Amino acid sequence: AIQLTQSPSSLSASVGDRVTITCRASQGISSALAWYQHKPGKGPRLLIYDASSLRSGVPSRFSGSGSGTDFTLTISSLQPEDFATYYCQQFNSDLWTFGQGTKVEIK
Amino acid sequence: QVQLVQSGAEVKKPGSSVKVSCKSSGGTFNSYTFSWVRQAPGEGLEWMGRIIPILGMTKDAQKFQGRVRITADKSTSTVYMELRSLRFEDTAVYYCARDAPNYCTNGVCYPVDWGQGTLVTVSS
Repeated sequence: AIQLTQSPSSLSASVGDRVTITCRASQGISSALAWYQHKPGKGPRLLIYDASSLRSGVPSRFSGSGSGTDFTLTISSLQPEDFATYYCQQFNSDLWTFGQGTKVEIK
Repeated sequence: QVQLVQSGAEVKKPGSSVKVSCKSSGGTFNSYTFSWVRQAPGEGLEWMGRIIPILGMTKDAQKFQGRVRITADKSTSTVYMELRSLRFEDTAVYYCARDAPNYCTNGVCYPVDWGQGTLVTVSS
């Protein structure tokens, strides 16, 4: 199965900061990658699909980039509601997999 | 409006089985792919498998092959995830998810709608 490695596993940031999370695949996955935001007690929320397409209704401060093996989720100006755990997920192979998650905490 | 409503929390003994349901409303049930994902306490999200009801096709993560069975009942627009031979480490919140036609590109349809989660506790 394709492995996804996210970094960092956690980070502390302040409101207004620019935050970047990376996701590296163990083999090329084209652009078949999504990013989710997950908060306790709720289902994950799709933010980005096809590596760089913003889901309707998701604030434009979220953006995704990359293809092949290296991907990035960027939050341009962190807001209080953005403190959560973020996951990448690949859909290139028959067996879908998640990265291990990146927890974004308040500094 | 698409909604996925899952069955309630369960407490099970090691070695037993659990069957979690996920009822879909809104949209055309047969057209979509449903996935199951779990999160154990303090751990990340883990993909378990998926089903395409119209085709009856399933795909399970290697870790769960032989223990998980994902099924769909088209008459009630409900998908099920049954996990057998439960172990303490199967204690987790289990989520179902469904893709949406607006979020299909390059042959991939991305899970957009999620259930509220079902806590399964394995305890002796």
